Amino acid sequence: GAVVSQHPSWVICKSGTSVKIECRSLDFQATTMFWYRQFPKKSLMLMATSNEGSKATYEQGVEKDKFLINHASLTLSTLTVTSAHPEDSSFYICSARAEGHYGYTFGSGTRLTVV
Amino acid sequence: AQSVTQPDIHITVSEGASLELRCNYSYGATPYLFWYVQSPGQGLQLLLKYFSGDTLVQGIKGFEAEFKRSQSSFNLRKPSVHWSDAAEYFCAVGAGTNAGKSTFGDGTTLTVKP
Repeated sequence: GAVVSQHPSWVICKSGTSVKIECRSLDFQATTMFWYRQFPKKSLMLMATSNEGSKATYEQGVEKDKFLINHASLTLSTLTVTSAHPEDSSFYICSARAEGHYGYTFGSGTRLTVV
Repeated sequence: AQSVTQPDIHITVSEGASLELRCNYSYGATPYLFWYVQSPGQGLQLLLKYFSGDTLVQGIKGFEAEFKRSQSSFNLRKPSVHWSDAAEYFCAVGAGTNAGKSTFGDGTTLTVKP
């Protein structure tokens, strides 16, 4: 149980375009989801906390207008990288809190490459 | 503020040898501690967690970790490493039970020699 599906697993886009990444909780309802960014050979950096039905909470230094988060249902959170630039290229991972599982379930990640 | 230090950036062990990955944390209250493994291009998989109780916790894939409050450590161990254990390992301290919002160490890359 407590499976999180993240899609797509990889995406290549042109500079200036927007990319949407989806994070779904398959067998549980997630009122809270988290979005992380991971640079090569680096740890995970928390970007924002996504709350169902309300605005996301962004960590300091994360541009909320660039990284749009929508959590419209209890099973889906989306991260949209708007007007992507090469420096946005990274590995993005979501995690969702499952009741009784202490919120440790992570998606498989999305490799974004902006060319 | 909470923080996690993994002193070893890269460790190489021979297959069949024992393994210990170090993790030190800083947290103002009772910590919730986790070890995750990440294969290349993949997400994170939880190996084990510590919230309270027995300080020696057992996880999946034959891993265990010991919480030592006096040393602020939560080292990961495995008696006999398999080639498939080669991966990146992350230690994390969570904000209470809200483990999704965790602070991660920088990771330790494990290479397994045949």
